[in-house]
Amino acid sequence: KNQVEQSPQSLIILEGKNCTLQCNYTVSPFSNLRWYKQDTGRGPVSLTIMTFSENTKSNGRYTATLDADTKQSSLHITASQLSDSASYICVVSAEVTGGGNKLTFGTGTQLKVEL
Amino acid sequence: SQTIHQWPATLVQPVGSPLSLECTVEGTSNPNLYWYRQAAGRGLQLLFYSVGIGQISSEVPQNLSASRPQDRQFILSSKKLLLSDSGFYLCAWRPGHGSYEQYFGPGTRLTVT
Repeated sequence: KNQVEQSPQSLIILEGKNCTLQCNYTVSPFSNLRWYKQDTGRGPVSLTIMTFSENTKSNGRYTATLDADTKQSSLHITASQLSDSASYICVVSAEVTGGGNKLTFGTGTQLKVEL
Repeated sequence: SQTIHQWPATLVQPVGSPLSLECTVEGTSNPNLYWYRQAAGRGLQLLFYSVGIGQISSEVPQNLSASRPQDRQFILSSKKLLLSDSGFYLCAWRPGHGSYEQYFGPGTRLTVT
C-alpha cells in the first residue's frame, strides 16, 4: 500500500530560525516527489518537485532533498519568517499503467513561526 | 497565465440538501482536472479526475458525482448531502501533457449541518 508519512506533525519555531521537515514514503513505482505549502483555508501551492534523478532542489529559502534509496525527503526552511506559518505537505507520485500517475498525500506538518 | 477559480468559497448546507460546486480554469486548454477533499487532520483524498470533456473517473465510491460539461469546467455534485461530506474541497488542474505539476484552486469550505 502506498503511504506517505510526515514528521513532525506540528512544529513551533522562532522567527529567523531554520527548521527541517521530514517525509518518508513507500510508493512504487516512484515517479516524483513534491512539497506543497498550504496556508489555512487556501489551496496548496507548489514549492518543489523532484524526479528520481534529482537529490536536491531549492526555491528561495526552501530546499528539498530526496534520497530515493531510503525513500526519504526533507524540506529545509532557512531564516524562517512569520509568513512561513502554514501546513507543508509531501506528495509522492507513482507511475500507473497507461502513462498516468497517482498521487499519495501526506497529512502535512503544521509549522508556526513566532516572534 | 493560467488561473483556476472555485465557487462558492464557503457553503453551509443542511443534511439531505443538494450540492453543486464549480471549478473553472482559464488560460489553458485540454487540462486534466481533479476534485479533492481534505478533512481535518487528514491528507487530501482524490475524489474524481477527468482527462477530457465528459470523461470522469471516480476514485472513491460515495454519494458525490462529477461532471465536465466544458473543457475547462469541472462540477462536483450531490443529490443529498451527508454530515460526513463536510470538508474542504479543492479543485486542481494539470497540463494534459509534458508536466508533472498540479495547480490547486482556492478551495470551498463545506459544512453540512
